[in-house]
Amino acid sequence: DAGVIQSPRHEVTEMGQEVTLRCKPISGHNSLFWYRQTMMRGLELLIYFNNNVPIDDSGMPEDRFSAKMPNASFSTLKIQPSEPRDSAVYFCASSFRLNYEQYFGPGTRLTVT
Amino acid sequence: GESVGLHLPTLSVQEGDNSIINCAYSNSASDYFIWYKQESGKGPQFIIDIRSNMDKRQGQRVTVLLNKTVKHLSLQIAATQPGDSAVYFCAEKAGTYKYIFGTGTRLKVLA
Repeated sequence: DAGVIQSPRHEVTEMGQEVTLRCKPISGHNSLFWYRQTMMRGLELLIYFNNNVPIDDSGMPEDRFSAKMPNASFSTLKIQPSEPRDSAVYFCASSFRLNYEQYFGPGTRLTVT
Repeated sequence: GESVGLHLPTLSVQEGDNSIINCAYSNSASDYFIWYKQESGKGPQFIIDIRSNMDKRQGQRVTVLLNKTVKHLSLQIAATQPGDSAVYFCAEKAGTYKYIFGTGTRLKVLA
């Protein structure tokens, strides 16, 4: 099993640009989670999906952030426009069902200059 | 790889010694707790979990202790090995599917 796949692994962009982060969950997993990790705030849940439907997006910091899950094998997290304070490592995780163990991807390090 | 944090509390232990990593959680209603291990350049990896109706759970070389009175969780690693060097996070869940993660402790294993 390849595990959770995220791309790109590293992204450097200029302030104001649109950024799209991608995630492929583990096959057969019904739940998907997006997290952000920073030195100051640690690991924070941004949004999670169950059966491709967003369940709770209360952790999404601003309207500049949006997430979609068009099918069971793909999700995106988009930031438009990006700002330097969005610089962080973004993790995607998936679980078999909502209350099961979450498996994390390797993360995407985003740097906004 | 991705850095987890430059200002995390650090625990240094000698190889072969036991390690104890502590975590204070915030919500007295939390009913489920997990310890994660995060190595450099990787995402958090599940180590062991415990439900609030238990006060101790053992895995392979790891033991989690839960003290609900003082809202404290600890992770004990027996015979610490170089491969145990990582950042360790506790996470709590209180009745929803959302986990709240602690800030993490960096474990350094000295040869």
